[in-house]
Amino acid sequence: EVQLVESGGGLVQPGRSLKLSCAASGFTFSNYYMAWVRQAPKKGLEWVATISTSGSRTYYPDSVKGRFTISRDNAKSSLYLQMNSLKSEDTATYYCARHPMGTHPYNWFAYWGQGTLVTVSS
Amino acid sequence: VQMTQSPSYLAASPGESVSISCKASKSISNNLAWYQEKPGKANKLLIHSGSTLQSGTPSRFSGSGSGTDFTLTIRSLESEDFAVYYCQQYNEYPLTFGSGTKLEIK
Repeated sequence: EVQLVESGGGLVQPGRSLKLSCAASGFTFSNYYMAWVRQAPKKGLEWVATISTSGSRTYYPDSVKGRFTISRDNAKSSLYLQMNSLKSEDTATYYCARHPMGTHPYNWFAYWGQGTLVTVSS
Repeated sequence: VQMTQSPSYLAASPGESVSISCKASKSISNNLAWYQEKPGKANKLLIHSGSTLQSGTPSRFSGSGSGTDFTLTIRSLESEDFAVYYCQQYNEYPLTFGSGTKLEIK
């Protein structure tokens, strides 16, 4: 059974940093592109980052580019999101998600975690 | 690519059929997925490639469309189907979602 468990969320002040983690199990982690997707309170879903199987290629929307960094440790079956220069508009539940099997990033999200809440406030 | 989903809210009774529309601001071929969101549960992929049911998705769900216009149809609604539904395009980056449709029991 595929499981994705996020951790690391919490309350952080504007301008500070936070690192999220996602522990994956139930599949061969190194074979899949992985992603982070967020959902602000009472809002819709927003894709945040995608990383290739090896970690050599990363993709971001303009809203987080230069501030967020996605990374992975295939030996630990873990995904990370380093968030710097946080803003109030980054307040959201952050979901770890797995893309389907494939060699490119143009894909849907086959599995999702249950999310970790990040609140950016002074 | 902007994804416009409608309606944003839908009330229906068990046994009825409903349709949700998702329109893309430019052609996305059939590169569209549908998801179901329920409180306390992980989001669930229902359909990808416009009309391909993900393994485990009940056959009462169907997807149609290509290009810019897509539809999710649920026949014979069951109590477990009352949830929020999102579409998502993956034809180009940034990956984008529709704003969601909340399906409630009438």
